[in-house]
Amino acid sequence: EAGVTQSPTHLIKTRGQQATLRCSPISGHTSVYWYQQALGLGLQFLLWYDEGEERNRGNFPPRFSGRQFPNYSSELNVNALELEDSALYLCASSSQGAQETQYFGPGTRLLVL
Amino acid sequence: DAKTTQPPSMDCAEGRAANLPCNHSTISGNEYVYWYRQIHSQGPQYIIHGLKNNETNEMASLIITEDRKSSTLILPHATLRDTAVYYCIVRSIWGGSQGNLIFGKGTKLSVKP
Repeated sequence: EAGVTQSPTHLIKTRGQQATLRCSPISGHTSVYWYQQALGLGLQFLLWYDEGEERNRGNFPPRFSGRQFPNYSSELNVNALELEDSALYLCASSSQGAQETQYFGPGTRLLVL
Repeated sequence: DAKTTQPPSMDCAEGRAANLPCNHSTISGNEYVYWYRQIHSQGPQYIIHGLKNNETNEMASLIITEDRKSSTLILPHATLRDTAVYYCIVRSIWGGSQGNLIFGKGTKLSVKP
């Protein structure tokens, strides 16, 4: 069974640009979670989508946004990129919402120059 | 969700058992103990979770004390590929309205030849 997949693996942008990161959950999973892991810092929760709806967001500015598609895949958009947005962005999925085990993808490494 | 405390680092000889402790003295009766690990710059990998009873799977064993205030993750025969940061996370059995996992700093396990 395929795990969570993310694309691209690496992304280089310049300050002020927009970045779009993609995530495909494990087949049958309806919840998608996004986390940010900046260099030397822990994993910080960004967003949670379930059944196409945003259920919760972490303490991040509105320029971090996303959506979940009818096939349960998800996009994370980061507008007006700043240098400190450089990080590993991780997507996780789970079945039937918040109480189930989350399984992580390999991540997208975003570098903002 | 309850807070966890883990040693920042541990060493283990290859082939020996690695015992990783976690203190969660404020855990409530409706909270699971989850363990994940993150090998350098990869997505966190789910290992095991438990509520009250000890659990074992193909990767590890989880021993939870009777008062549930602490637990130990056991890797029975550590290999060099087990070198990673191990995270102990306490999480409501209902997931909570927030849905997200709260990662601490974890324990950096170094398996040495």
